Amino acid sequence: GAGVSQSPSNKVTEKGKDVELRCDPISGHTALYWYRQRLGQGLEFLIYFQGNSAPDKSGLPSDRFSAERTGESVSTLTIQRTQQEDSAVYLCASSLAGTSGRNEQFFGPGTRLTVL
Amino acid sequence: DQQVKQNSPSLSVQEGRISILNCDYTNSMFDYFLWYKKYPAEGPTFLISISSIKDKNEDGRFTVFLNKSAKHLSLHIVPSQPGDSAVYFCAGHSGTYKYIFGTGTRLKVLA
Repeated sequence: GAGVSQSPSNKVTEKGKDVELRCDPISGHTALYWYRQRLGQGLEFLIYFQGNSAPDKSGLPSDRFSAERTGESVSTLTIQRTQQEDSAVYLCASSLAGTSGRNEQFFGPGTRLTVL
Repeated sequence: DQQVKQNSPSLSVQEGRISILNCDYTNSMFDYFLWYKKYPAEGPTFLISISSIKDKNEDGRFTVFLNKSAKHLSLHIVPSQPGDSAVYFCAGHSGTYKYIFGTGTRLKVLA
């Protein structure tokens, strides 16, 4: 497809388990972003990739969260030892470049994570 | 510190009337503002943007106004249609990758 895709669309896990969320950006987009939206909240920036490197990881809430990107394409966000407060929709976005101008970001449909 | 605020969590408007969604910001370094629209179970989609050097940008039924001195922007939708019912997020960025989003306003257009 032409848009950003994310998998799985829904994930229910037990507290303490690890989860891996996947994002396939739009082909050719060098910049990739992860956001989190908790219930009733805005979109919270987690991490930004330019190519395969992550110059800004400042939004990752704790060291249980990590992300990687390979081949300037797919990215995975891993949450270790999940906690109930990790329950949220995790959104991935991509853009042509990370800087300048409007820098329109294109979002995927998100992964809804529920930690029981 | 919430740099972008959308103080109205919800808004209901009659079809055909004007919808006005408001957004306030505190970061004077923002040089671009964007509005995104989000339907349930979908990701946000870009709607309209405005550069900080302008005070108005219009695209069809959608107009965004920027008042820099008041650090306020608004999105006007006229005429409103039932398909406009969605959550609207405003965001600002300071020429870099990092969007700062507001908490969103849920618009309901009544037929």
